[in-house]
Amino acid sequence: DIQMTQSPSTLSASVGDRVTITCRASQSISIWLAWYQQKPGKAPKLLIYKASSLESGVPSRFSGSGSGTEFTLTISSLQPDDFATYYCQKYNRYPYTFGQGTKLEIK
Amino acid sequence: EVQLLESGGNLVQSGGSLRLSCAASGFTFNSYAMSWVRQAPGKGLEWVSAISAIGGTIDYADSVKGRFTISRDNSKNMLYLQMNSLRAEDTAVYFCAKARTVTIGGYSMDVWGHGTTVTISS
Repeated sequence: DIQMTQSPSTLSASVGDRVTITCRASQSISIWLAWYQQKPGKAPKLLIYKASSLESGVPSRFSGSGSGTEFTLTISSLQPDDFATYYCQKYNRYPYTFGQGTKLEIK
Repeated sequence: EVQLLESGGNLVQSGGSLRLSCAASGFTFNSYAMSWVRQAPGKGLEWVSAISAIGGTIDYADSVKGRFTISRDNSKNMLYLQMNSLRAEDTAVYFCAKARTVTIGGYSMDVWGHGTTVTISS
């Protein structure tokens, strides 16, 4: 099975910062990658699908890029509401494996 | 409003069984694949199982294969997860999630339920 590895596991940043989270697949998954945001006690929220397509209603400060085995999620200017845990997920074929998560903390 | 509502979570002894349900509303349920995803306490997300729109394609994570069975009743807009031979490591919040698109093939998940808690005691 394809493994998904996110880095870093934890990221400390300040409001207004530009941050990037990386997700690597152990084999090519083309563009079949999604990014989710999860806050404590809540369900995940879809941010990005097909590696770079912004889900409806998601602020434009979120962007995704990449293909094949390396992908990034970028938040251009951090807002207070963005401090959460972020997961990538591959969905080219089953199993739809998630990365281990990146916790974005306030510096 | 598109909505998913899980139920059925409980405290069960190791080796026991449980059936989770997910009630869907606000969309054409029989057009969308559905998945179950779980999250152990303090851990990340784990995809568990998925079923296609009409139930013809099903798959499971290796960790639950042979013990869990996913099913759906499109006449009732319901998704189910039958869990047998439960283990302590199955303790988690279980979410049901809807495929973002109706196209055949891989899908991201755009609507999630709030989750139902399963606790397995040893």
